[in-house]
Amino acid sequence: SQQGEEDPQALSIQEGENATMNCSYKTSINNLQWYRQNSGRGLVHLILIRSNEREKHSGRLRVTLDTSKKSSSLLITASRAADTASYFCATDRGSTLGRLYFGRGTQLTVWP
Amino acid sequence: DTAVSQTPKYLVTQMGNDKSIKCEQNLGHDTMYWYKQDSKKFLKIMFSYNNKELIINETVPNRFSPKSPDKAHLNLHINSLELGDSAVYFCASSPLAGPGNEQFFGPGTRLTVL
Repeated sequence: SQQGEEDPQALSIQEGENATMNCSYKTSINNLQWYRQNSGRGLVHLILIRSNEREKHSGRLRVTLDTSKKSSSLLITASRAADTASYFCATDRGSTLGRLYFGRGTQLTVWP
Repeated sequence: DTAVSQTPKYLVTQMGNDKSIKCEQNLGHDTMYWYKQDSKKFLKIMFSYNNKELIINETVPNRFSPKSPDKAHLNLHINSLELGDSAVYFCASSPLAGPGNEQFFGPGTRLTVL
């Protein structure tokens, strides 16, 4: 079964606006990661948050993790047209082998 | 360029054929993976090798056979291709096998089975 359910499935915003994407999961985790996939390309790692962390920042990205609710959010501030992509969360389900379980992603479209 | 590379980028073939996809990473990583992404963008892990040894083998038909000749290469051979094998296959690598490792993805191989 899939781990990581992103919502919304699609998000459309104007440049300069903030974009918030959410992810829920079902099992305990060691870490949660967010990846971006541009159309027709491979995934690119954005940020990793450990289970004992609540918030992490990287440039215009802010990730939160609530292990009690088994959910995470990715906030992109001051979005740009170049941020248009699919965004995936991935968890390890507590595995020590490095396997990642991905959700179906949020398709973000940023209009200029 | 340091990267994860895959060949071919596109593969169109008939049902019943056998095909291979090759993956190479020059990042010096110990661990490599194969993922399958379906038409709805759902990405599912298939296999993982750590230092040439198989460490993850998800529920994948045994028509799929990975081979790692060295830790920089992980190839995927598929026998008797079926329509349902049509997907984008991604190779990835990470420094180590444990949790907390960022994975670096190749550009993908789009396989179409006719």
